Amino acid sequence: GEQVEQLPSSLIVQEGASVLINCSYTDSASVYFPWYKQEPGKRLQFIIDIRSNMERKQNQRLTLLFDKKTKHLSLHITATQPGDSAIYFCSAGGSGTYQRFGTGTKLQVVP
Amino acid sequence: AQTIHQWPVAEIKAVGSPLSLGCTIKGKSSPNLYWYWQATGGTLQQLFYSITVGQVESVVQLNLSASRPKDDQFILSTEKLLLSHSGFYLCAWSVGGVNERLFFGHGTKLSVL
Repeated sequence: GEQVEQLPSSLIVQEGASVLINCSYTDSASVYFPWYKQEPGKRLQFIIDIRSNMERKQNQRLTLLFDKKTKHLSLHITATQPGDSAIYFCSAGGSGTYQRFGTGTKLQVVP
Repeated sequence: AQTIHQWPVAEIKAVGSPLSLGCTIKGKSSPNLYWYWQATGGTLQQLFYSITVGQVESVVQLNLSASRPKDDQFILSTEKLLLSHSGFYLCAWSVGGVNERLFFGHGTKLSVL
């Protein structure tokens, strides 16, 4: 079945630094790739998405890159703040209503 | 504005006991509804989804069942809990066709002892 892997599994950065979170999937039928953020004590929250007919999408400090050929996505977060500390999940959706979540990346931003 | 409410917030149950978790969505007509399970520190696994009242599709078999008795309500249940049922249960909704962003509830933390 579909596998969605994320790297790294965790990282600690200084406030102001940029981070890159990588996500790879296996199912060629996947066409929709939303990303979510899970902060301690808060509900899982959608942050950005991209569809398979696009290569790049930006939302303020977030940039999402998509490579259909290699089945790879990268989430770039610039100018990180302590409020960015959370677990980040990529997800892949195909022709059905099933969205498979990645393994998660725990980001800690220290002042 | 749409709101999603899950109940209870947390449960501590004994192995072999029954369970019922609920989810209500207000402010959105005919949403697609989902149940997800998250092991502590782990990824999310989709359990069930429903596109309309009375219609529920199972994604994985975990000795759980789900029902949608009303347009705005989704229920997750089992008659006999296992230790492996412990974790975090998240209800979510989306609208439109497939492959749209999900909106999640706060979740229910279940501890089976």
